[in-house]
Amino acid sequence: GQNIDQPTEMTATEGAIVQINCTYQTSGFNGLFWYQQHAGEAPTFLSYNVLDGLEEKGRFSSFLSRSKGYSYLLLKELQMKDSASYLCAVRDDSGGYQKVTFGIGTKLQVIP
Amino acid sequence: GAGVSQSPSNKVTEKGKDVELRCDPISGHTALYWYRQSLGQGLEFLIYFQGNSAPDKSGLPSDRFSAERTGGSVSTLTIQRTQQEDSAVYLCASSQGLGAELFFGEGSRLTVL
Repeated sequence: GQNIDQPTEMTATEGAIVQINCTYQTSGFNGLFWYQQHAGEAPTFLSYNVLDGLEEKGRFSSFLSRSKGYSYLLLKELQMKDSASYLCAVRDDSGGYQKVTFGIGTKLQVIP
Repeated sequence: GAGVSQSPSNKVTEKGKDVELRCDPISGHTALYWYRQSLGQGLEFLIYFQGNSAPDKSGLPSDRFSAERTGGSVSTLTIQRTQQEDSAVYLCASSQGLGAELFFGEGSRLTVL
């Protein structure tokens, strides 16, 4: 099965940088997603990491270490609209399926 | 359609009744997922369809829950004899396949009285 851990809540200041960590344990790991979900809305895709390293996309970057079972999402130049939940999700290819399992999500509050 | 479409967007039902939730994925997407999200909680995996393969039903919480995907496209999630704890938003997502991002519908909010 999968075990995905991320902090439940974080607070950061507008204009600052915040790092949201995610650790996972899964038998058939083959990729990690980050999604953003505003309250009352559907999740939207931010990033997908398969190989170790940092992927940068504008103000958002995502890092993966497969050997450590660890990822983080880095948000720079925080804006008020970045207040949302950030969901870490792991793709597991064991058993012949490509199941995608989500963590509980980290609720980020950006304050002025 | 342009995105994943789910219906109904809201459903209020009485305890003990059956409900059907529909998901119309993006055309050409071979993978389809159902998740459940209770208020303030994360996404709970329910079931996954990939092409014509047998679905991964490992997340269905009880035998009252079932899902089917006809013709590799539209999917229906059925909950029989609904209970109050079934109240949640049911989210459907589709993807093109291996390693592709999941596109989510807006969800069906189910309230069981």
